[in-house]
Amino acid sequence: KNEVEQSPQNLTAQEGEFITINCSYSVGISALHWLQQHPGGGIVSLFMLSSGKKKHGRLIATINIQEKHSSLHITASHPRDSAVYICAVPEYYGGSQGNLIFGKGTKLSVKP
Amino acid sequence: NAGVTQTPKFQVLKTGQSMTLQCAQDMNHNSMYWYRQDPGMGLRLIYYSASEGTTDKGEVPNGYNVSRLNKREFSLRLESAAPSQTSVYFCASRVVQGRIDNEQFFGPGTRLTVL
Repeated sequence: KNEVEQSPQNLTAQEGEFITINCSYSVGISALHWLQQHPGGGIVSLFMLSSGKKKHGRLIATINIQEKHSSLHITASHPRDSAVYICAVPEYYGGSQGNLIFGKGTKLSVKP
Repeated sequence: NAGVTQTPKFQVLKTGQSMTLQCAQDMNHNSMYWYRQDPGMGLRLIYYSASEGTTDKGEVPNGYNVSRLNKREFSLRLESAAPSQTSVYFCASRVVQGRIDNEQFFGPGTRLTVL
């Protein structure tokens, strides 16, 4: 069964800073998910990636399958990026039910 | 497209009361999920339904029951609420096709307090 660890748990940054959030998992996966939870509570999917890198605006997600590690980067951070960022991976490698397990999240606060 | 909807948004119960959380999706997804989110812990799976007509226990099923009413709707029932069930509950759905992974969509959440 997969296990997922995120770091750091909390992160405070000044507006404009480059931010990195890390995620490690224990068992091989088909794809890794990055999610964002807004202060109001809603959860949205940011990325799903199985190799290499994906970019959406100022957000970049990378994954190293051999090292079982993924990073989420935010360039030119802004106070509106303040949220909890969650990493999720399949519970079992090759699992067909699609169950995900979730990291505990990284709470990001970007100060103006 | 409304996506995933949940009702109610907030609920306060007394210990021993029962209630049903409703969830519906309009994206024709086959799999649906109920999670709970507690401070300092990641989202934990309560029950899931891989397809219409099937339900299975997740990591923390005790004290809950579910019904997959049809492809669109998946409800979560607390028969006798306990303070330990105070949490935020999220419903989610996605398409599961063998080993192909797909994005998961979440409802807005239900904040439940049991006194």
